[in-house]
Amino acid sequence: ETGVTQTPRHLVMGMTNKKSLKCEQHLGHNAMYWYKQSAKKPLELMFVYSLEERVENNSVPSRFSPECPNSSHLFLHLHTLQPEDSALYLCASSYSGGEQFFGPGTRLTVL
Amino acid sequence: SQKIEQNSEALNIQEGKTATLTCNYTNYSPAYLQWYRQDPGRGPVFLLLIRENEKEKRKERLKVTFDTTLKQSLFHITASQPADSATYLCALADRSSNTGKLIFGQGTTLQVKP
Repeated sequence: ETGVTQTPRHLVMGMTNKKSLKCEQHLGHNAMYWYKQSAKKPLELMFVYSLEERVENNSVPSRFSPECPNSSHLFLHLHTLQPEDSALYLCASSYSGGEQFFGPGTRLTVL
Repeated sequence: SQKIEQNSEALNIQEGKTATLTCNYTNYSPAYLQWYRQDPGRGPVFLLLIRENEKEKRKERLKVTFDTTLKQSLFHITASQPADSATYLCALADRSSNTGKLIFGQGTTLQVKP
């Protein structure tokens, strides 16, 4: 256990559904991250929140919408996804950069 | 273009031997470089961090070197064990970023045979 939790662990959704992924950390970290990991590809950084403010948005399609209500919680809202969005979505946190602590990920399948 | 590359082929070694994994980068100015371990279906776990002004870092059976002239980091596991079998990721933080953003390599899978 790294101290970062993610729910749900598995999610299957249709292209017209709306769902949300949740990430929670109680490590006292001040930065949180969303990554996408597809088979045979490097981890792709999607969003960075520092002190609850989005500071990085790596050209992610608008069908992915992040939310960081406080320093301990991070959400990724999903709507009208495509099959190519199927992947492992990882949340991580850190304190002022440095080593990142990752959650176990949400395995997303879009039908 | 900017690249960070690890050997995409799996590395198979015999138990007890030293495993050496390579990470090369192009057109980055890393402030530091990190190594992570990832097991199937799980998130990466931090192992070691080495800064641009450090040549070598050790932690138990792990050793990392960093050569900014060659633009390369080497990750060594001595006296390898089957439990060391996993995918190992290198990641760098470019000096141009102040958000803690990491750029990851694609990972090298290590298989240690008993």
